[in-house]
Amino acid sequence: GAGVSQSPRYKVAKRGQDVALRCDPISGHVSLFWYQQALGQGPEFLTYFQNEAQLDKSGLPSDRFFAERPEGSVSTLKIQRTQQEDSAVYLCASSSNSDTQYFGPGTRLTVL
Amino acid sequence: DQQVKQNSPSLSVQEGRISILNCDYTNSMFDYFLWYKKYPAEGPTFLISISSIKDKNEDGRFTVFLNKSAKHLSLHIVPSQPGDSAVYFCAMKSKGAGSYQLTFGKGTKLSVIP
Repeated sequence: GAGVSQSPRYKVAKRGQDVALRCDPISGHVSLFWYQQALGQGPEFLTYFQNEAQLDKSGLPSDRFFAERPEGSVSTLKIQRTQQEDSAVYLCASSSNSDTQYFGPGTRLTVL
Repeated sequence: DQQVKQNSPSLSVQEGRISILNCDYTNSMFDYFLWYKKYPAEGPTFLISISSIKDKNEDGRFTVFLNKSAKHLSLHIVPSQPGDSAVYFCAMKSKGAGSYQLTFGKGTKLSVIP
């Protein structure tokens, strides 16, 4: 079956621009996660949804980061007024049981 | 302070031999452990997992070992194949209601030499 998909795969933004990153989870997966992976590091947790409810946003680095999942399926991670330190790969994962998480290919964001 | 450490940034192994990847952790609340494999420009792919009630789990060429007293996790790949060349991440989550986020190590780049 189809895995987790993310779009766009690559995004280049000028400093100060707003960006929106999309995640399509595996069909039927209740849990959805966003992670940020900097170069040479492991993924770091950003936020977690159970259906449409955002149960944890403790990993979001600033109030410029906002995530939503209004219908409990597709999710969007929005970054306002991007800064160079936001450059990273943004990974989305979904899970049916919150133990094993299945990742998408990621969106590589480069802020110039 | 890093809760999950993969102390070897890279590892080279001959094709057909055993690859052993290691991971150490400090948080005794971790109770579910996973290994992911990552190719360039792709997301992490789930490989194998183990819960804290076990000390070994095997799936084909992949075996994960958990030593809770030493807070040590390892992944054995036997026999290693060139297609196994990738970055391997260990990840873990803690027990209890509301515990769901994975904490990852920094990864070990495995190169299997034909």
